[in-house]
Amino acid sequence: LAKTTQPISMDSYEGQEVNITCSHNNIATNDYITWYQQFPSQGPRFIIQGYKTKVTNEVASLFIPADRKSSTLSLPRVSLSDTAVYYCLVGARDSSYKLIFGSGTRLLVRP
Amino acid sequence: GAGVSQSPSNKVTEKGKDVELRCDPISGHTALYWYRQSLGQGLEFLIYFQGNSAPDKSGLPSDRFSAERTGGSVSTLTIQRTQQEDSAVYLCASSLVGIGGEKLFFGSGTQLSVL
Repeated sequence: LAKTTQPISMDSYEGQEVNITCSHNNIATNDYITWYQQFPSQGPRFIIQGYKTKVTNEVASLFIPADRKSSTLSLPRVSLSDTAVYYCLVGARDSSYKLIFGSGTRLLVRP
Repeated sequence: GAGVSQSPSNKVTEKGKDVELRCDPISGHTALYWYRQSLGQGLEFLIYFQGNSAPDKSGLPSDRFSAERTGGSVSTLTIQRTQQEDSAVYLCASSLVGIGGEKLFFGSGTQLSVL
């Protein structure tokens, strides 16, 4: 299982770009990197997923270096509603079905 | 339904009673996961189903916990002789494996309070 390490918390201000990095040194060849967002009293919500290089969707970008030992979730121009816990999850169905979440990063966006 | 449905949304029980938590996954999703989340904490993996089978039950915290899935759809998590430390949010997720990696879709959870 690829263990993940993320900062416990981050602070930002509205309109800023936020980058959250996740370390996963023992990522396996078949593993994908997935990020989830969780608001209080809700289940986590899928944000973005990638295998290598860069992936971008309507809400975020995911940067993965060539060695894949880390990944960075980039949230452009955050708003107060982006205050949440962000989880990095590394795994694949064929490597392990125990998709184990790390501790997550608690992002606080201030006005 | 459109998403993963869990019931009840809240359950208050007395210590020593049994409880059943239900999860209705998204139609067509063959994989189903149960997680537990204590207040302010991360997600603790409990069990995974592929179809009706659970390959590994070692994530369940104790033998008071059991889970089953029938017809490749609805799953039930049962906690016998509940203890106060069982109080938590129990989250269910189903997943779709397609091009790319696995994506989990979570329900809103069942908030269990053991008095």
